[in-house]
Amino acid sequence: DGGITQSPKYLFRKEGQNVTLSCEQNLNHDAMYWYRQDPGQGLRLIYYSQIVNDFQKGDIAEGYSVSREKKESFPLTVTSAQKNPTAFYLCASSSTGNYNEQFFGPGTRLTVL
Amino acid sequence: AQRVTQPEKLLSVFKGAPVELKCNYSYSGSPELFWYVQYSRQRLQLLLRHISRESIKGFTADLNKGETSFHLKKPFAQEEDSAMYYCALSPNYGQNFVFGPGTRLSVLP
Repeated sequence: DGGITQSPKYLFRKEGQNVTLSCEQNLNHDAMYWYRQDPGQGLRLIYYSQIVNDFQKGDIAEGYSVSREKKESFPLTVTSAQKNPTAFYLCASSSTGNYNEQFFGPGTRLTVL
Repeated sequence: AQRVTQPEKLLSVFKGAPVELKCNYSYSGSPELFWYVQYSRQRLQLLLRHISRESIKGFTADLNKGETSFHLKKPFAQEEDSAMYYCALSPNYGQNFVFGPGTRLSVLP
């Protein structure tokens, strides 16, 4: 393994607190993505970035924020505005261009107490 | 709007039996279709993609544009095939994937 790392593996947060999930890749990929994985719902896209200093909202961006200051890093902040933040979060990266495979990290499980 | 459906949440088959995981999509253009697999305690990984037209671990998938389907098939299931399978669509010129809800395949001994 390697390529894409996510930390921490498990994260606990109290209600009302913001929390930041880390995602780093050493694959020299331009594009990076954040997904939320819930049982029975598959993967839903939160945010994506195709180049440094630029990112776009996905299907369920409300209550989340991201930054892309470096090519290798795409941290996700889960804010207190997110109504149901307990979930498994997956980060992915890919080369830009058509039909490129996405490579996934191991995921972070966030639990709000 | 782009959408991927996988009608079966859970599919159980016996070892050695044929298996077919269904995937249907809705998209007005010509998308690229993928199957991703997530084995227990492993990260999500690409199983196969339509454009490669290859067979991976005995699995094949044929794109049927008329039926807008990309079903995953294997003639003889193995216990190690037990996993979560996701069908995904990537539109033309974009990198954004649309994933289906997933099908959990359980291969029984």
